[in-house]
Amino acid sequence: AQSVAQPEDQVNVAEGNPLTVKCTYSVSGNPYLFWYVQYPNRGLQFLLKYITGDNLVKGSYGFEAEFNKSQTSFHLKKPSALVSDSALYFCAVLPPGGYSGAGSYQLTFGKGTKLSVIP
Amino acid sequence: GAGVSQSPSNKVTEKGKDVELRCDPISGHTALYWYRQSLGQGLEFLIYFQGNSAPDKSGLPSDRFSAERTGGSVSTLTIQRTQQEDSAVYLCASSLGPRGVYNEQFFGPGTRLTVL
Repeated sequence: AQSVAQPEDQVNVAEGNPLTVKCTYSVSGNPYLFWYVQYPNRGLQFLLKYITGDNLVKGSYGFEAEFNKSQTSFHLKKPSALVSDSALYFCAVLPPGGYSGAGSYQLTFGKGTKLSVIP
Repeated sequence: GAGVSQSPSNKVTEKGKDVELRCDPISGHTALYWYRQSLGQGLEFLIYFQGNSAPDKSGLPSDRFSAERTGGSVSTLTIQRTQQEDSAVYLCASSLGPRGVYNEQFFGPGTRLTVL
């Protein structure tokens, strides 16, 4: 079974500094990876996804993520943090086959990382 | 355009009562998902509907939980004889389809359920 780990419950970063939110995964085969963001009292919003191709994926609001197969990681990054980036971030994995075959379509989520950007 | 909507946004109920949570997916989306978000448990998959196929109920935690999707659109999640451990935010998501580039799931704002 697949799993996702977000090792940090909370990340604090000063406004204007680069930010990284870590994610590692465990799945057999080639994973499909996602990042979602949840603002207070709001639903999850899609940020970006990795399916295949370039290991560096660019997404919404200036975020990007780097897929590293050897380290089974998919860390979320942004060069310069904004106070408005403060939110809860979730990494998720879709099992192989979920994109082109008969595999599961169930997203498995990490437990989330609370990002606080300090003015 | 309109996103996924859910109602009610908040629901407070007494232990033992039944509750119904509603989800309106994005028009044209054939796939619909229910997840539960609770403290310490993260996001858990509950149930999945795709078109007219039989739903995947593998994530439902007990037989007190059930869901329907009428006409391939609106879905209702029902929890019977609610327990305090059912307190959580229930999230609905929809996508164009389960596979290919259409798997991107769009989430509603959720229903916060509190069982007293």
